[in-house]
Amino acid sequence: DAKTTQPPSMDCAEGRAANLPCNHSTISGNEYVYWYRQIHSQGPQYIIHGLKNNETNEMASLIITEDRKSSTLILPHATLRDTAVYYCIVRMDSSYKLIFGSGTRLLVRP
Amino acid sequence: KAGVTQTPRYLIKTRGQQVTLSCSPISGHRSVSWYQQTPGQGLQFLFEYFSETQRNKGNFPGRFSGRQFSNSRSEMNVSTLELGDSALYLCASSLGPGGDYEQYFGPGTRLTVT
Repeated sequence: DAKTTQPPSMDCAEGRAANLPCNHSTISGNEYVYWYRQIHSQGPQYIIHGLKNNETNEMASLIITEDRKSSTLILPHATLRDTAVYYCIVRMDSSYKLIFGSGTRLLVRP
Repeated sequence: KAGVTQTPRYLIKTRGQQVTLSCSPISGHRSVSWYQQTPGQGLQFLFEYFSETQRNKGNFPGRFSGRQFSNSRSEMNVSTLELGDSALYLCASSLGPGGDYEQYFGPGTRLTVT
């Protein structure tokens, strides 16, 4: 599975968009990009995933570059409850497992 | 629809004992995976089951084992507990195999070994 690189921490103001970057320069054609978040001591929460196209759901948007070597998770209107560690993961189509890195600790400021 | 449930939520055991943790997946989900989370190592994959078969195993000693039942419920067992086994053990379920099926995590079982 390809490795990902994320900034260790970020912050944004409440109500503003939070843009979390992720580099996955060694991603293969059959690997999906997944985003999860984890609030302290709780189980990771699924946010969104995609293969090639940009994706949007009720929680967030996922923007994947055309060469698929990087992606950005966008939380359009961050709230204090969005403060968490966000994990970007690439996962092979044939693989069940998720390989978690260190993630980005997002702090949403009032 | 009910989420992934794990029991017990908290557990305290003594070094040398064994422990069994239980996971009930979301209804209709046939794939169950287990992860260990510690402050030092982060989230690490333990093993995964699909249709009662272990399909993949992480880099953990043989003291860690698991199984899946015909109703997709899963258990993991840790024998001869060591202090380093203290961790949050997370179970995740998904509809099926493959990268296009998202995994949903349970709240975890917090195991403390003394």
